[in-house]
Amino acid sequence: DVVLTQTPPTLSATIGQSVSISCRSSQSLLDSDGDTYLNWLLQRPGQSPQLLIYSVSNLESGVPNRFSGSGSETDFTLKISGVEAEDLGVYYCMQATHAPFTFGSGTKLEIK
Amino acid sequence: QVQLKESGPVLVQASETLSLTCTVSGFSLTNYGVIWVRQSPGKGLEWMGIIWGDGNTDYNSALKSRLSINRDTSKSQVFLKMNSLQTDDTAIYYCTRDLVYWGQGTLVTVSS
Repeated sequence: DVVLTQTPPTLSATIGQSVSISCRSSQSLLDSDGDTYLNWLLQRPGQSPQLLIYSVSNLESGVPNRFSGSGSETDFTLKISGVEAEDLGVYYCMQATHAPFTFGSGTKLEIK
Repeated sequence: QVQLKESGPVLVQASETLSLTCTVSGFSLTNYGVIWVRQSPGKGLEWMGIIWGDGNTDYNSALKSRLSINRDTSKSQVFLKMNSLQTDDTAIYYCTRDLVYWGQGTLVTVSS
């Protein structure tokens, strides 16, 4: 199964600061159809997860554009350009290229 | 609009079988897959399995031997069954479509 390694496990940021989260895959997530099915989700405290970005860099509808995703093959990054208070929670990467699909272990974002 | 709702027992005895239902509305199960995800207390998200629109399934390798996912398209319901429960199966169980639409989750406690 594909293993996704997220770093850092925790992140502390001030409002307005830009932060990045890394997700590394144990194998290439480039699918035979040419797409790369690496997604980013946010789970706020006490809530169901929310999809932020799909297929590496596509912003889900309604998600603020301070969120962006990049990367290819095995290395991926989620960037938040100007953290806001509502961004606190746990961020997960998830791959849907190779069944069974898998989640990263999560990165907890705290607001200073 | 698209909605998903999990239902099932709150408490299950160890060694018994868990049966959960995800009731959906606003879309057809023959057109979309439904994923089950769980989260143990204080832990990260775990991808459990998916039933695709064509009825095929994929399962988490670690759970495959005791997990099954089925559906009744006429009732717009997806069923999760997992046998030989242990206390570490205590978790919030979510169903989701596309990772965009999520149920509120249902907490299942496995008692020894």
